Amino acid sequence: GAGVSQTPSNKVTEKGKYVELRCDPISGHTALYWYRQSLGQGPEFLIYFQGTGAADDSGLPNDRFFAVRPEGSVSTLKIQRTERGDSAVYLCASSLVGGASRNTGELFFGEGSRLTVL
Amino acid sequence: LAKTTQPVSMDSYEGQEVNITCSHNNIATNDYITWYQQFPSQGPRFIIQGYKTKVTNEVASLFIPADRKSSTLSLPRVSLSDTAVYYCLVGPIWNSGNTPLVFGKGTRLSVIA
Repeated sequence: GAGVSQTPSNKVTEKGKYVELRCDPISGHTALYWYRQSLGQGPEFLIYFQGTGAADDSGLPNDRFFAVRPEGSVSTLKIQRTERGDSAVYLCASSLVGGASRNTGELFFGEGSRLTVL
Repeated sequence: LAKTTQPVSMDSYEGQEVNITCSHNNIATNDYITWYQQFPSQGPRFIIQGYKTKVTNEVASLFIPADRKSSTLSLPRVSLSDTAVYYCLVGPIWNSGNTPLVFGKGTRLSVIA
């Protein structure tokens, strides 16, 4: 379909390993967001891209987390030296910024990547 | 960003109308009110958005009083498939800024047969 695609859907890794999570947004959406969701909690903002640049990375918990979007489309969230506390569902969303007055800024979410750190 | 407060959980029987109220006392002039729905193992999905008075679409209605310090999401005649977590968010539409949307814990609605 034409929705937001996230891979892998599930990732199990060991403490200390490096992990990459990929997000393929809806074509034409210039804004891309990463959120993290723990069980029973709402999505927690991590980082927002407008085009290729990170417009707001204030939600990244520490320097082990990094995200890129080199061509303004696909984004990769990178987590170094994973810890058990990083276990969560990582959600990606995209939206259409600007344009018609009827644009609601609606976020279109993918189904998430479930990360389990053992 | 305006902080929101909504009930942690609600129960309803099938066929009833459900009203979920969200408080946002510090809402700013350029803030809109947006509701999302989330099913297990899925990302949140946009339901409805409004600025003032009443908005209705094929899924829900959104009631916003004149002072805009609260809003009520109304789901008519709920079914079992409406069991989900509902989030109320307040913030500017993207045309006017880069502020990321902040999700609270949401309201867990359980619809009972």
